[in-house]
Amino acid sequence: GQNIDQPTEMTATEGAIVQINCTYQTSGFNGLFWYQQHAGEAPTFLSYNVLDGLEEKGRFSSFLSRSKGYSYLLLKELQMKDSASYLCAVRDSNYQLIWGAGTKLIIKP
Amino acid sequence: NAGVTQTPKFRILKIGQSMTLQCTQDMNHNYMYWYRQDPGMGLKLIYYSVGAGITDKGEVPNGYNVSRSTTEDFPLRLELAAPSQTSVYFCASSYTENEKLFFGSGTQLSVL
Repeated sequence: GQNIDQPTEMTATEGAIVQINCTYQTSGFNGLFWYQQHAGEAPTFLSYNVLDGLEEKGRFSSFLSRSKGYSYLLLKELQMKDSASYLCAVRDSNYQLIWGAGTKLIIKP
Repeated sequence: NAGVTQTPKFRILKIGQSMTLQCTQDMNHNYMYWYRQDPGMGLKLIYYSVGAGITDKGEVPNGYNVSRSTTEDFPLRLELAAPSQTSVYFCASSYTENEKLFFGSGTQLSVL
């Protein structure tokens, strides 16, 4: 079966750095997405990785290792507004998106 | 540019009732999707469409129907609502199957 694993919840301090991991087992691979979802709102796109390596976009970076079936989302200089759920999703060989359950990130002052 | 517009935001149904969730996008996207999101679980694909006149089942299609008569609109029909359909529903669209999804604001549905 296809599976995406991410931690259920993480806590971090304002101004710090946090890394949210995602491991996947899917039938084929055609890219990995990270989305941010604030409580009661829709997911919004953060990043996309299809090749191995690090993609940096401001305070957010995303890393991919296809051989290990592993990705992480790195958030720097945490702000209170970063409190949200972070969803990892993998596009499989049929171009279907397989979604993780999300990681709820709690930021404390 | 409105993006993906989804209505209603909230709805309470009685068991056995029917309703239609509306979704429209103004980005000329070919691909449209309906997902449901349940607590502690990843988004589950209900139905999707790759263009006007073409629809296909996703992972959890039972109890739902869709149509795609135009590029812009992709309504989701619930027939004979059941408590198991209590969920948050999201409509989404993308230009191609490779690209990121744009989501509507969601519908919180309770079936009692």
